Amino acid sequence: DTAVSQTPKYLVTQMGNDKSIKCEQNLGHDTMYWYKQDSKKFLKIMFSYNNKELIINETVPNRFSPKSPDKAHLNLHINSLELGDSAVYFCASSPTSINEQFFGPGTRLTVL
Amino acid sequence: AQTVTQSQPEMSVQEAETVTLSCTYDTSESDYYLFWYKQPPSRQMILVIRQEAYKQQNATENRFSVNFQKAAKSFSLKISDSQLGDAAMYFCAYRSGATNKLIFGTGTLLAVQP
Repeated sequence: DTAVSQTPKYLVTQMGNDKSIKCEQNLGHDTMYWYKQDSKKFLKIMFSYNNKELIINETVPNRFSPKSPDKAHLNLHINSLELGDSAVYFCASSPTSINEQFFGPGTRLTVL
Repeated sequence: AQTVTQSQPEMSVQEAETVTLSCTYDTSESDYYLFWYKQPPSRQMILVIRQEAYKQQNATENRFSVNFQKAAKSFSLKISDSQLGDAAMYFCAYRSGATNKLIFGTGTLLAVQP
């Protein structure tokens, strides 16, 4: 009965690799987000999708590409991973653009 | 651009006591929402309380309440009867009524002493 789920929870990989993080929500929400939490715990939005349409794209390197195959899924693909990409990545969803957001458990990405 | 400031990197409170976490924000908008999120060591982000800017009444959720001072752009969180399970990182967040992105403060790490 998980509301917002992410896979994997932990991801350890080498520099230069390509990896994906998956997010699914079973709440029927229209809007989904990706946030990055750095080593100092600072949280910053990366992307937002509403009904599969990209509506927020913060200043994020082109190596990061979100994909929303349907309203319930928002995946994050990262190419050519760098050391600085190491962080916890959170997926979130909300029923409309003005409601509170519900977060997934996070994916801790470690780039070696 | 909107900003959120949490000036207390760490706070400590005795069990059963009351603690107040500070948050100030900067915006030129009149329509916005404010939130407090809790992040325990499990790293799950949990919504604690929310406040709509157009509401003058301060939001309350059980032991958690806010002091919302719109003119001063202040949004503090009061935790009453603190419990060991309240120990966590607390984030203040701002959401514009026009966009749907959350802007977070840098967080306050709350320790609860038995």
